[in-house]
Amino acid sequence: DAGVIQSPRHEVTEMGQEVTLRCKPISGHDYLFWYRQTMMRGLELLIYFNNNVPIDDSGMPEDRFSAKMPNASFSTLKIQPSEPRDSAVYFCASSTGQGAEAFFGQGTRLTVV
Amino acid sequence: RKEVEQDPGPFNVPEGATVAFNCTYSNSASQSFFWYRQDCRKEPKLLMSVYSSGNEDGRFTAQLNRASQYISLLIRDSKLSDSATYLCVVLKAAGNKLTFGGGTRVLVKP
Repeated sequence: DAGVIQSPRHEVTEMGQEVTLRCKPISGHDYLFWYRQTMMRGLELLIYFNNNVPIDDSGMPEDRFSAKMPNASFSTLKIQPSEPRDSAVYFCASSTGQGAEAFFGQGTRLTVV
Repeated sequence: RKEVEQDPGPFNVPEGATVAFNCTYSNSASQSFFWYRQDCRKEPKLLMSVYSSGNEDGRFTAQLNRASQYISLLIRDSKLSDSATYLCVVLKAAGNKLTFGGGTRVLVKP
């Protein structure tokens, strides 16, 4: 298996633009997580899905952020409109069940200028 | 207070020495505990789970103290390749929300 695949690896965008981050979890994994990592705040859980259903989105910063999982093999995290404070590394991770090892993608490094 | 707190370090460790560091958690309902490792500009990866009775994996030993709500990681005979950030992770009893600490940076030097 290729592991969790995220795209793009790097994204530079202007303030106010829409940004869409993509994730393909490991096949057979029922859980999918979106994390954001910054120097100041560390790794923060934004939202996680179980069997394509959002379970906990309490970490989503505000209405500018939205996440979808239309099927078991694909998820998106969208920021609209983007702001400079959204600059961070966004990780997607997947796992087989509660307490199981979470496998992370390589992350998307987002810079909003 | 953060749910999971760690000393950010860095811990500067001579090669071959032993280093240990802790992580405290605030929610007594926390069920499972893990240590993840993150190399510079890479994704986090599971290092080891932490069991109630304590557990070893080669040069790494993890301990859990539920009464005082902390977990620890000890690295013996440090190698240069052990240089990384070590992330403490806590899972609550309900759901599958993995909460990460800010990480402890370890630098092993020759």
